[in-house]
Amino acid sequence: GESVGLHLPTLSVQEGDNSIINCAYSNSASDYFIWYKQESGKGPQFIIDIRSNMDKRQGQRVTVLLNKTVKHLSLQIAATQPGDSAVYFCAETPNTGNQFYFGTGTSLTVIP
Amino acid sequence: EPEVTQTPSHQVTQMGQEVILRCVPISNHLYFYWYRQILGQKVEFLVSFYNNEISEKSEIFDDQFSVERPDGSNFTLKIRSTKLEDSAMYFCASSEGTFSNQPQHFGDGTRLSIL
Repeated sequence: GESVGLHLPTLSVQEGDNSIINCAYSNSASDYFIWYKQESGKGPQFIIDIRSNMDKRQGQRVTVLLNKTVKHLSLQIAATQPGDSAVYFCAETPNTGNQFYFGTGTSLTVIP
Repeated sequence: EPEVTQTPSHQVTQMGQEVILRCVPISNHLYFYWYRQILGQKVEFLVSFYNNEISEKSEIFDDQFSVERPDGSNFTLKIRSTKLEDSAMYFCASSEGTFSNQPQHFGDGTRLSIL
């Protein structure tokens, strides 16, 4: 079966520092990856996506890195703010268009 | 910014009863999805829907589940005879394109509690 998991279940960072959240996946056919942010009582919120033909993509304060060799995905948040405190999920889907698989999530806590 | 809306936010139902969860996807989106999240666990795919038919479903989506787009705006998930283990958050999502083409945008979910 599919395996999309996160290396660290919790992460605490000081406000203003950079955060790095990691994700491992097992399916070499994975083609499209998304990072979602989930705040308490809310649904997953799209942050950034990346396709398998890329190894880096940048958004506003966020960067996603994809290493297909080791099947690893990371989300970097620059200048972390208290509003960034949430659970972060990676999700992936293979190029066959099958089910979207979510990881178990990393809980990010930003310390003021 | 357009968003996916779900109603009700919390549904309490007796075991064995039917329940219908409702969603209004983003208006120009063509693909619709249901996911569930049992407390403390990962988000799990249930079903995807396009052009008025199911395009993919997981093994969780058994004969007790059905989906429908009864009109041009609503997308519903029906659980025919609820079980205790159906208690979870149910999220609706929609996208402009398919899984591997466009991101999915989620609603804030319906918390389903089965007694």
